[in-house]
Amino acid sequence: RKEVEQDPGPFNVPEGATVAFNCTYSNSASQSFFWYRQDCRKEPKLLMSVYSSGNEDGRFTAQLNRASQYISLLIRDSKLSDSATYLCVVSLVSSGSARQLTFGSGTQLTVLP
Amino acid sequence: NAGVTQTPKFQVLKTGQSMTLQCAQDMNHNSMYWYRQDPGMGLRLIYYSASEGTTDKGEVPNGYNVSRLNKREFSLRLESAAPSQTSVYFCASVSGDRVFNYGYTFGSGTRLTVV
Repeated sequence: RKEVEQDPGPFNVPEGATVAFNCTYSNSASQSFFWYRQDCRKEPKLLMSVYSSGNEDGRFTAQLNRASQYISLLIRDSKLSDSATYLCVVSLVSSGSARQLTFGSGTQLTVLP
Repeated sequence: NAGVTQTPKFQVLKTGQSMTLQCAQDMNHNSMYWYRQDPGMGLRLIYYSASEGTTDKGEVPNGYNVSRLNKREFSLRLESAAPSQTSVYFCASVSGDRVFNYGYTFGSGTRLTVV
């Protein structure tokens, strides 16, 4: 079983739609959670961290359910510029005191005009 | 501009050749990482360095070596390239106390093909 699992998609949605991505993680010792965005042939960039109480940043809302080991990302009023691959990421502190990120394989989103 | 710089951006190697991927960051980050990204696999950790002078294996270290030359630079070496090492390689760095707010900063990647 993969440590971080995501639905690979692709999700093709019209502009203005609401779309939700889900992610599950297997290691209950995971401490921090993130959503990264990766544009085609570019490096991943932090979209938002995921707080235990859930958090919102503009059109983006992230939720964490530790009991179910589940993370979600909701995008409202989708824009063409939201087209990208969204990576679910969890963090553990390694024995070397360096945080290690484990990445899901990503969910591809295409927003259509 | 501040960030993570990787060189080269593209490289084609023949099986058995060696090369070193260079990575440098100017953000005074303590921790640096090397990942590879393959289709459908996500990013997988090859090696990391928690601080200057230390390195540790990640998930997929076989066939690679690393050097943390100083706080700024972390290089990845392929001693004898194999076609299975065809991938996109990303270097990343982070300040330990800022990972939650700022995440990792990634370089733009090195696209390596081994023929």
